[in-house]
Amino acid sequence: AQSVTQPDIHITVSEGASLELRCNYSYGATPYLFWYVQSPGQGLQLLLKYFSGDTLVQGIKGFEAEFKRSQSSFNLRKPSVHWSDAAEYFCAVVPNSGGYQKVTFGTGTKLQVIP
Amino acid sequence: GAVVSQHPSWVICKSGTSVKIECRSLDFQATTMFWYRQFPKQSLMLMATSNEGSKATYEQGVEKDKFLINHASLTLSTLTVTSAHPEDSSFYICSAEGEKAYEQYFGPGTRLTVT
Repeated sequence: AQSVTQPDIHITVSEGASLELRCNYSYGATPYLFWYVQSPGQGLQLLLKYFSGDTLVQGIKGFEAEFKRSQSSFNLRKPSVHWSDAAEYFCAVVPNSGGYQKVTFGTGTKLQVIP
Repeated sequence: GAVVSQHPSWVICKSGTSVKIECRSLDFQATTMFWYRQFPKQSLMLMATSNEGSKATYEQGVEKDKFLINHASLTLSTLTVTSAHPEDSSFYICSAEGEKAYEQYFGPGTRLTVT
């Protein structure tokens, strides 16, 4: 069955440390891939997306993600985390199978940043 | 740019009453809007896709008569929860699709509590 998985429910990192949030998908063809961030009381904001081309994608707020076909992964990274990055992060996918397809979200990873 | 608002941000209602939630794209026109439901510590679940001037497309398992969606203009979609019950208590989020396919802009959400 087609699915998107975020294995880590909750991650805690120290401010200034590097961050990697995992996202794996299970689709026949490489889907379109997205990362969103949701801060408390706010809507989801798109950090970056991958449709095709360069497998390392740069996003807003210093985030990047790397698409790895062999691992069916699209992990989100940031070299140095700021306290303001504390939020919930969602990976999302859209099947690339022709026609209009709906977006499916992962279960989210809550990021806590400690001083 | 690309701001989506929701009103109200939170609402408490009594069981059996109806509640209307508005979703507006403030600085762009959105042919397509989406309504999601988010349970605590869970991901977003797509409820329905709303296209301006036509009937909404509901996801499997979502009661059409209970969750009435109207997309009367290119900047406004409404979700009415009819005869609300405590199990309808949830966080409802709307999004509007921009000019690029699959690029969704999210509202801040509406917290509904049914007593």
